[in-house]
Amino acid sequence: DGGITQSPKYLFRKEGQNVTLSCEQNLNHDAMYWYRQDPGQGLRLIYYSQIVNDFQKGDIAEGYSVSREKKESFPLTVTSAQKNPTAFYLCASSIDIYNEQFFGPGTRLTVL
Amino acid sequence: EDKVVQSPLSLVVHEGDTVTLNCSYEVTNFRSLLWYKQEKKAPTFLFMLTSSGIEKKSGRLSSILDKKELSSILNITATQTGDSAIYLCAVYYGGSQGNLIFGKGTKLSVKP
Repeated sequence: DGGITQSPKYLFRKEGQNVTLSCEQNLNHDAMYWYRQDPGQGLRLIYYSQIVNDFQKGDIAEGYSVSREKKESFPLTVTSAQKNPTAFYLCASSIDIYNEQFFGPGTRLTVL
Repeated sequence: EDKVVQSPLSLVVHEGDTVTLNCSYEVTNFRSLLWYKQEKKAPTFLFMLTSSGIEKKSGRLSSILDKKELSSILNITATQTGDSAIYLCAVYYGGSQGNLIFGKGTKLSVKP
């Protein structure tokens, strides 16, 4: 089955810790994205990547980092510098940056 | 500032009603407009609109873009309880690297 997977589904972190959220796709898509969704808010773009070994900051990149070493994978690290990390994180991919995006199931991160 | 505004923010209807959701945008170098349905977790793609005046249809859902008015509507006829979700509008805009901006969504509740 083709699709996008994210893990873990739920993640709890203590303040001051870095955590990495996984995103994998087997759709052979070039572009991948990370979004954050807060209650009552739309999706806000954190980072996106058009091709392997390239990525660009989105609207709210501060406190986050990414890598794109493989086409299939686009992990997101939430660092201790991110002041309000508790949120729902969605990963998406698309054939290229101008086509519809398909989303993974999301990871809910809670900072204790 | 580039923005996407959806209205209403929330809507409660009864099964069988017809609803119209609105999305307006102000962006530089518009490329396309997308509609997504978000139920419990990840958004699922509904429509991508690039040309003004051409209706896209899928079952009871339809959408049309009006580039002159910088807006789009999403119509759902004969609503069912399964249509209850948050409907997200997103706009691709900008130059070669592209940008995608989401509205805050319209929360639709369909009561039996």
